[in-house]
Amino acid sequence: GAVVSQHPSRVICKSGTSVKIECRSLDFQATTMFWYRQFPKQSLMLMATSNEGSKATYEQGVEKDKFLINHASLTLSTLTVTSAHPEDSSFYICSARVREGPGETQYFGPGTRLLVL
Amino acid sequence: AQSVTQLDSQVPVFEEAPVELRCNYSSSVSVYLFWYVQYPNQGLQLLLKYLSGSTLVKGINGFEAEFNKSQTSFHLRKPSVHISDTAEYFCAVSGRGSYIPTFGRGTSLIVHP
Repeated sequence: GAVVSQHPSRVICKSGTSVKIECRSLDFQATTMFWYRQFPKQSLMLMATSNEGSKATYEQGVEKDKFLINHASLTLSTLTVTSAHPEDSSFYICSARVREGPGETQYFGPGTRLLVL
Repeated sequence: AQSVTQLDSQVPVFEEAPVELRCNYSSSVSVYLFWYVQYPNQGLQLLLKYLSGSTLVKGINGFEAEFNKSQTSFHLRKPSVHISDTAEYFCAVSGRGSYIPTFGRGTSLIVHP
């Protein structure tokens, strides 16, 4: 299967600072990547769809000015949490989709645990 | 639009016993179905998928699932579980024309020695 990496795996920051999370497709090119947020004991919540070379598409209720997404190359998408606050603490997971047969499969990164103090 | 229901939030089972994790879906279009596993503090790992063809799908770690169109189900099974199978399992569905999957709320599989 396709391999997706994320960096960092864990980050602790002070309230008011910005944090950048990287998502890379290691052995394939991904024109589209996705960013999810997961709260404890809950399912994944899609935040946005990241498109290479164009603006990201944000889900309803997600602040695009707070969660900046850049997809500058076919193997890298970044999520920047700007002016982070404690309520932004969460587990952030990215994924990339691969066309397989008649459909598509999403392959996920290992996730980034963000703790804002 | 699609929706996924995982009726069991938690499934406790003894080691070496069989297990079935249930997943039902609804969709107005042809579907693609997935099971993912998540170990603590990790991302999601693809266990298996149904895109087309045989309705019985075999995945990694000895898991298999069967697509039942008439019952709109995609239950996950394993004949004999190990302690290491303890994890959260997510069922997901996507549909032709909208490949972004919808996830169920997850089922926590707890394997006891």
